[in-house]
Amino acid sequence: DTGVSQDPRHKITKRGQNVTFRCDPISEHNRLYWYRQTLGQGPEFLTYFQNEAQLEKSRLLSDRFSAERPKGSFSTLEIQRTEQGDSAMYLCASSIALAGSYEQYFGPGTRLTVT
Amino acid sequence: DQQVKQNSPSLSVQEGRISILNCDYTNSMFDYFLWYKKYPAEGPTFLISISSIKDKNEDGRFTVFLNKSAKHLSLHIVPSQPGDSAVYFCAAAFGGTYKYIFGTGTRLKVLA
Repeated sequence: DTGVSQDPRHKITKRGQNVTFRCDPISEHNRLYWYRQTLGQGPEFLTYFQNEAQLEKSRLLSDRFSAERPKGSFSTLEIQRTEQGDSAMYLCASSIALAGSYEQYFGPGTRLTVT
Repeated sequence: DQQVKQNSPSLSVQEGRISILNCDYTNSMFDYFLWYKKYPAEGPTFLISISSIKDKNEDGRFTVFLNKSAKHLSLHIVPSQPGDSAVYFCAAAFGGTYKYIFGTGTRLKVLA
């Protein structure tokens, strides 16, 4: 297994366009997380799934953002009507649901630039 | 409200010496803490963690210390190597939610 993968690695879009990112977690991991990181900041939690269920969503996530994990494997994050403030690195992570297991494994991220 | 703080944005250390990275938190309900290392153009990589019931955890050259009364944790790297040069993030988690609250990161540069 090669770890968490994300596609695309870079995306440049014009303001007002919709974009969709994909995350493929480590195969046996049933938890999947999305984070956003802007320059000079640490990653900020956006949402997480256990299997196909979206269990928590940050108040930072506006209605323009939606995430899915339809079969409990890969996940997509869609941003509608992008704004310049959406420019950031979007990170996906996965983990295995074991009692006391907190380690998350991150993908390389998708860098979004909204012009 | 920044619940996890890394007050030193950067740190330079000579190769072979000790690197000490610090992290402060405000919420006493956190029960698990982690350190991640990040190289440019890569995602964060897990380094070491500690449960709130412990005060020290060691893994090779890396040791994390937790001082709950001061709400402070630190990462010690001994000896420091040039390959350790990266941005280091501390993160905290509440039991049961599994989401992380990250600090803003400290850029470590190990000089050969």
